[in-house]
Amino acid sequence: SQTIHQWPATLVQPVGSPLSLECTVEGTSNPNLYWYRQAAGRGLQLLFYSVGIGQISSEVPQNLSASRPQDRQFILSSKKLLLSDSGFYLCAWSVRRGGTEAFFGQGTRLTVV
Amino acid sequence: AQTVTQSQPEMSVQEAETVTLSCTYDTSESDYYLFWYKQPPSRQMILVIRQEAYKQQNATENRFSVNFQKAAKSFSLKISDSQLGDAAMYFCAYRSASWTGANNLFFGTGTRLTVIP
Repeated sequence: SQTIHQWPATLVQPVGSPLSLECTVEGTSNPNLYWYRQAAGRGLQLLFYSVGIGQISSEVPQNLSASRPQDRQFILSSKKLLLSDSGFYLCAWSVRRGGTEAFFGQGTRLTVV
Repeated sequence: AQTVTQSQPEMSVQEAETVTLSCTYDTSESDYYLFWYKQPPSRQMILVIRQEAYKQQNATENRFSVNFQKAAKSFSLKISDSQLGDAAMYFCAYRSASWTGANNLFFGTGTRLTVIP
């Protein structure tokens, strides 16, 4: 069966520090991968998606970047965090073709102080 | 772009009673999928139910069922025999059935459901 792992679960980082959140998927190949951010009281906002290794599309201009160094690995990064980067980050995957729903990781609560 | 609207920020229901959460969406596509996701306090998103737009029959999953009105672009979730474990944020989501692009989900802003013992 397919599983998705996301870590860390919580993170407190000072302003200006770097960020690296990692997500890996097991049990499937060639998935679509997504990074979402959830602000308090709001729905999920798509940040990045990837349809293949090295292929990253950004939906929202921001202080963050994403990379997909391997087929089932998706990394969310920042060189210098801002206070506004605080939030709940969710990684998700879906079947590349013919898939319907997306499957989510457990999320990372990021607090920038 | 597709938009999903949940007009009820909060709802409450008595345990064992029935509650309906509302969702409307806007799209020019004819083929798509609609979902209800549950986000409990653990914050992990859990799929509750899925509806394919080409199917006229409303989807059901145990105590959960939907009322899909394609012409009205309405997709409500009915929870029967509510249980304490149903307390969570519920998100309505839309996804294109097109095989091009990323096919990402578009989410509503959520409805917080409280279950009263």
